[in-house]
Amino acid sequence: ELKVEQNPLFLSMQEGKNYTIYCNYSTTSDRLYWYRQDPGKSLESLFVLLSNGAVKQEGRLMASLDTKARLSTLHITAAVHDLSATYFCAVDEAGNQFYFGTGTSLTVIP
Amino acid sequence: DSGVTQTPKHLITATGQRVTLRCSPRSGDLSVYWYQQSLDQGLQFLIQYYNGEERAKGNILERFSAQQFPDLHSELNLSSLELGDSALYFCASSRDLRNTIYFGEGSWLTVV
Repeated sequence: ELKVEQNPLFLSMQEGKNYTIYCNYSTTSDRLYWYRQDPGKSLESLFVLLSNGAVKQEGRLMASLDTKARLSTLHITAAVHDLSATYFCAVDEAGNQFYFGTGTSLTVIP
Repeated sequence: DSGVTQTPKHLITATGQRVTLRCSPRSGDLSVYWYQQSLDQGLQFLIQYYNGEERAKGNILERFSAQQFPDLHSELNLSSLELGDSALYFCASSRDLRNTIYFGEGSWLTVV
């Protein structure tokens, strides 16, 4: 079974700091997705990375994909409180199902 | 608003009962997914349908069943409910296979 691992599971960071969330997966999938979830809310799509070396940026978030290393990163630049949420990465297995990581709960402290 | 509609939003029921959760995918989406999210189990994939046919099955209990109808809406049936079935159940849909999936707001199920 495909495994998707994220680390850290919990992240507490100060406003203005930078940090990176890591997502490792066990398959050769060439696409990876990042989602955000606020407490008790739905999951919102952030990025779709469709090929090796893909990089996407939106505001203070930047995601990248290295399919050879089976690794994706979500980099947070100059964190602000509004970024506090749980972030999930997900990998699809040839269109059969999406495997989600365990999620990284991010808290940005003023 | 993702365009995926789930009903009911909240449901409280007793152990041993049966409930049905309903999902309307985004207009034009052919694939529907069901996920269960609980505090101790994280986001668990239950089942996927594509254009009316079951496509993939995950950790779905035998007490649970689902189907996708010709109009592409889907229902998740949960029976002989146990306390441990209390969770947030998400439906998600995608245009086709290997596309971004969009989540509904979820159905909160509390079993008492």
